[in-house]
Amino acid sequence: SAVISQKPSRDICQRGTSLTIQCQVDSQVTMMFWYRQQPGQSLTLIATANQGSEATYESGFVIDKFPISRPNLTFSTLTVSNMSPEDSSIYLCSVVDTSTDTQYFGPGTRLTVL
Amino acid sequence: AQSVTQPDIHITVSEGASLELRCNYSYGATPYLFWYVQSPGQGLQLLLKYFSGDTLVQGIKGFEAEFKRSQSSFNLRKPSVHWSDAAEYFCAVGPHNAGGTSYGKLTFGQGTILTVHP
Repeated sequence: SAVISQKPSRDICQRGTSLTIQCQVDSQVTMMFWYRQQPGQSLTLIATANQGSEATYESGFVIDKFPISRPNLTFSTLTVSNMSPEDSSIYLCSVVDTSTDTQYFGPGTRLTVL
Repeated sequence: AQSVTQPDIHITVSEGASLELRCNYSYGATPYLFWYVQSPGQGLQLLLKYFSGDTLVQGIKGFEAEFKRSQSSFNLRKPSVHWSDAAEYFCAVGPHNAGGTSYGKLTFGQGTILTVHP
């Protein structure tokens, strides 16, 4: 199984600022995803970040708001830009182990925007 | 479009009692089905998954789930709940076709919060 770490684990930010969340995997993976879990809600897919290609965003999410980098097969970043209180959520990174068709999740980054 | 419904937002059981968490899905093709557990302050841990074959699947921590195609259900069960099982449980559905453009994109249910009384 893949072991995923995220930094920071939590942060409190002021509105209008940006935060970059890092995701590190202990093995090389092609497919990586970013999800958002708003307070009391389920998980919603933000974007797919595959190495060697531009991130693809789900409906309702745009690159200007959530720019993603995927410089190699073990690392990705998600930036939450120009934050507002509505961006307060847990952001989770996930990867797929294609050999077992199993998706693993990181511990999440809990973001609070004041 | 695919969707997942977990009808029970919150369930309370006594320790040692049996448990069943309901999950209904809507999916246009053969789905991959998953149950994840999220403990407070933790990420999601995979309990079990169903791809094909035997419709009763065994997972970790003594959990099992049964896929019923005719009912579009994938209910999670445990014969005897432990206090450490208190957490939020998510059912999820994903596409079956590895390599397809939607591969790995999971749709989650709203979650069921499990409280365990001593």
